[in-house]
Amino acid sequence: KAGVTQTPRYLIKTRGQQVTLSCSPISGHRSVSWYQQTPGQGLQFLFEYFSETQRNKGNFPGRFSGRQFSNSRSEMNVSTLELGDSALYLCASSSGTGGSQPQHFGDGTRLSIL
Amino acid sequence: GQNIDQPTEMTATEGAIVQINCTYQTSGFNGLFWYQQHAGEAPTFLSYNVLDGLEEKGRFSSFLSRSKGYSYLLLKELQMKDSASYLCAVRGNAGNMLTFGGGTRLMVKP
Repeated sequence: KAGVTQTPRYLIKTRGQQVTLSCSPISGHRSVSWYQQTPGQGLQFLFEYFSETQRNKGNFPGRFSGRQFSNSRSEMNVSTLELGDSALYLCASSSGTGGSQPQHFGDGTRLSIL
Repeated sequence: GQNIDQPTEMTATEGAIVQINCTYQTSGFNGLFWYQQHAGEAPTFLSYNVLDGLEEKGRFSSFLSRSKGYSYLLLKELQMKDSASYLCAVRGNAGNMLTFGGGTRLMVKP
């Protein structure tokens, strides 16, 4: 079974631009979550989607948004990029909600803002 | 509010046992997870606890006390490849959202 796939792996942007990151979950997984990882703040939750609906949202500004498609693939978008948005963005998928099912992480997209 | 604390760094010797502690104060609780993350790689799932007690899985064990808001990850027969960051994460009552601690960087020395 293929794991969680994130594209692109690396991205360089400049301030003010916008970016779209993509995540394909493990086949059959309907829950997709996004996290931002930085050396200073660690792993912070961005949002979770389940069956195309946003179920939870973290404490990030409105410049961060996301969506999920009917095939469970998800995208997240960051507009008006700032230097502080430089981070590793991780996507994780899970087969359902609750229980012992863990979230499985992709390798992430490393975003650098110049 | 959500607060999860773990030591920043630990060092141990190959072949030894190490215990990584995690304390948490969260507004909801629906399970505690431990993940391992090697530098430059994705976090990988190690263990899950939702009831009090010890869960054992090979060289790795995890313990939970809900009344104390406390968990630990125990690694036995340490190997050099165990050098990594270990992340403690709590799932709240809504969906699959995880709140992570800052991670413990473990260095295993020969």
